[in-house]
Amino acid sequence: DVVMTQSPLSLPVTLGQPASISCRSSQSLVYSDGNTYLNWFQQRPGQSPRRLIYKVSNRDSGVPDRFSGSGSGTDFTLKISRVEAEDVGVYYCMQGTHWPRTFGGGTKVEIK
Amino acid sequence: EVQLVEFGGGLVQPGGSLRLSCSASGFTFSNYAMAWVRQAPGKGLEYISAINSNGGSTYYADSVKGRFTISRDNSKNTLYLQMSSLRAEDTGVYYCVGNWNGDYWGQGTLVTVSS
Repeated sequence: DVVMTQSPLSLPVTLGQPASISCRSSQSLVYSDGNTYLNWFQQRPGQSPRRLIYKVSNRDSGVPDRFSGSGSGTDFTLKISRVEAEDVGVYYCMQGTHWPRTFGGGTKVEIK
Repeated sequence: EVQLVEFGGGLVQPGGSLRLSCSASGFTFSNYAMAWVRQAPGKGLEYISAINSNGGSTYYADSVKGRFTISRDNSKNTLYLQMSSLRAEDTGVYYCVGNWNGDYWGQGTLVTVSS
C-alpha cells in the first residue's frame, strides 16, 4: 500500500499568518494517464470532510483562493496564505492513483 | 445542490449485520463512481470500498474484504453497503462519497459494534 506521511501533526497558527502542510507518498503518484491524483481535504470540527484541492493544485468550487496546492511525484504541499478562524480543523491528503486509496494521518490546524 | 444522505447506522452486536444506504441528489448519479470512507472515533479516514458508475466493478480494502458488499441502484439514485460479520473495530462514522477522489461527501452515519 502507498503510505502517505503528513507533517506536522499539529500546526498552531496566528490569524492572518501563512500555514504550510507537507504530504509525502511512499511511491510516485503519477498515473499512467500522466495525471497526479493527489487530493487535499478539510474536516472542520464536527463536520464531514470536504475536498479543497484535486490533482495536486486544482481548487474545488467555492474554495477560497488563499488555499493552494503544489508538488509533484512524491512530495506535496498545501498552503494557506493567511489563516482565518474558519480554517481551524484537520487537513488530510489522499492519493487517488493507486489501490487501495490511502489518506495521510491528518494535520490539526489551530489558532494560537 | 449536491446532497448525499446516509441511512442505516446504529448499534449492532459483534458478528451481526447492517445495511447502509446513501440517497444521492443534485448530480447525475449514474455517471459517477461512488465510495464508502469510514472514520473510527477520534481517528483518521479509511477508504474501504468503491464501485464504478454502472456497478460492474468494485473495490474493497483488505480490512473489509469478504465481509462487506457495495452495490448501487441507479434507478433509485442509491448506494448501499451491506456489512456482515461485524467487529468492534468496524465502529465509526461511515461516509458516502461521490467519485473515486472524494468530490462529494455525505454527513455520515454512525455504526457502533458492541455487545
